[in-house]
Amino acid sequence: NAGVTQTPKFRILKIGQSMTLQCTQDMNHNYMYWYRQDPGMGLKLIYYSVGAGITDKGEVPNGYNVSRSTTEDFPLRLELAAPSQTSVYFCASSSHRNAGAFSGNTIYFGEGSWLTVV
Amino acid sequence: AQKITQTQPGMFVQEKEAVTLDCTYDTSDPSYGLFWYKQPSSGEMIFLIYQGSYDQQNATEGRYSLNFQKARKSANLVISASQLGDSAMYFCAMRDQGGSEKLVFGKGTKLTVNP
Repeated sequence: NAGVTQTPKFRILKIGQSMTLQCTQDMNHNYMYWYRQDPGMGLKLIYYSVGAGITDKGEVPNGYNVSRSTTEDFPLRLELAAPSQTSVYFCASSSHRNAGAFSGNTIYFGEGSWLTVV
Repeated sequence: AQKITQTQPGMFVQEKEAVTLDCTYDTSDPSYGLFWYKQPSSGEMIFLIYQGSYDQQNATEGRYSLNFQKARKSANLVISASQLGDSAMYFCAMRDQGGSEKLVFGKGTKLTVNP
């Protein structure tokens, strides 16, 4: 039961470097998300996608880019890393449910990626 | 815009006692969903319980129950018979009704269960 898989789990970047956080899901979910969690805070949405080829900005998109070329993959790109991007990143996926069919346990999170920019 | 407020940064409870974690929300949508997640020190997000705005009864899942008061826009989590393993961060979240199912999170409450 792979679910949502994120890599890497830990990474240290130098200021100005770039990297890609990988996210893959094997549940054929059409919706995917990237959240960040700063220390002592809740999760904030960076980008999301409602299907292959479609992406949209969330609450905190600056400094990030995404792509969704396949249903399974939703990589998050950090360009010119800054200390403010030190955070824990969570990828998540869900399937669209019709009203009345929503059970609640339909949003699946990856285990998180700890990123430090120094 | 939707907003979730958790006013308790930290809570303490004795083992085997019940505890209530507060959550209030703000939305103009008549249809919405409310979630509670547990985040232990290992960091993963664990789904606990869900309440839909049109659900007639308060949600329950084992030792977890949701005290849903729609008129007051509150969705408090009640944990009965607390266990040491319940020590964690707890987040309340609201599902966006725009069709994307993205979540808006509160800042969380750190629960500590004392032996």
